[in-house]
Amino acid sequence: EIVLTQSPGTLSLSPGEGATLSCRASQSVSSSSLAWYQQKPGQAPRLLMYATSIRATGIPDRFTGSGSGTDFTLTINRLEPEDFAVYYCQQYGSSPRSFGQGTKLEIK
Amino acid sequence: QVQLQESGPGLVKPSETLSLTCTVSGGSISNFYWTWIRQPPGKGLEWIGYIYSTGSTAYNPSLKSRVTISVDTSKSLFSLSLTSVTAADTAVYYCSRRGGSSSPEVNWGQGALVTVSS
Repeated sequence: EIVLTQSPGTLSLSPGEGATLSCRASQSVSSSSLAWYQQKPGQAPRLLMYATSIRATGIPDRFTGSGSGTDFTLTINRLEPEDFAVYYCQQYGSSPRSFGQGTKLEIK
Repeated sequence: QVQLQESGPGLVKPSETLSLTCTVSGGSISNFYWTWIRQPPGKGLEWIGYIYSTGSTAYNPSLKSRVTISVDTSKSLFSLSLTSVTAADTAVYYCSRRGGSSSPEVNWGQGALVTVSS
């Protein structure tokens, strides 16, 4: 099983600032098989990015995904109040599919 | 827009079987992959397994001995069965749909909290 490790565990920032979230894999992940989800309290996760850098339907362009191999990054520019949530990375190229443990983005 | 809705008992006794159903509406259940994912309270996401509309399945090895996922295309639903549950199986259980065979989970149900307790 591919283990995904996200850092930091918690990120405290203010609206308008930029955020950088990291996802590191225990073995190489195809760039076509890495996704990011956003989850708000009491809600199901929502797909943000897939294939590393492709935004899902309706996701604003302040969200950017990048990376390859074992290191992937989700960058959020100009944080909006609605961006504060928990973010999970997922690899879906190898079975079993696996998720990182999450990064909580909180308002400073 | 496809919608998914989980249903089933919210409380299950230890050693018994957890059973959940996911009803699909607003789209066809055929020719898609359907997934179960769970999230213990305050923790991260765990992929349980999937079923294709024709019935082929794959499960997380950590749960494989206790999990069965089935599909009923005539009723547009798929189901999860998890045997011999313990408190560690307490979680919100989500059903979801992949975008395709090599795609992430795109559409999600709202989730169903199942508590294992006597």
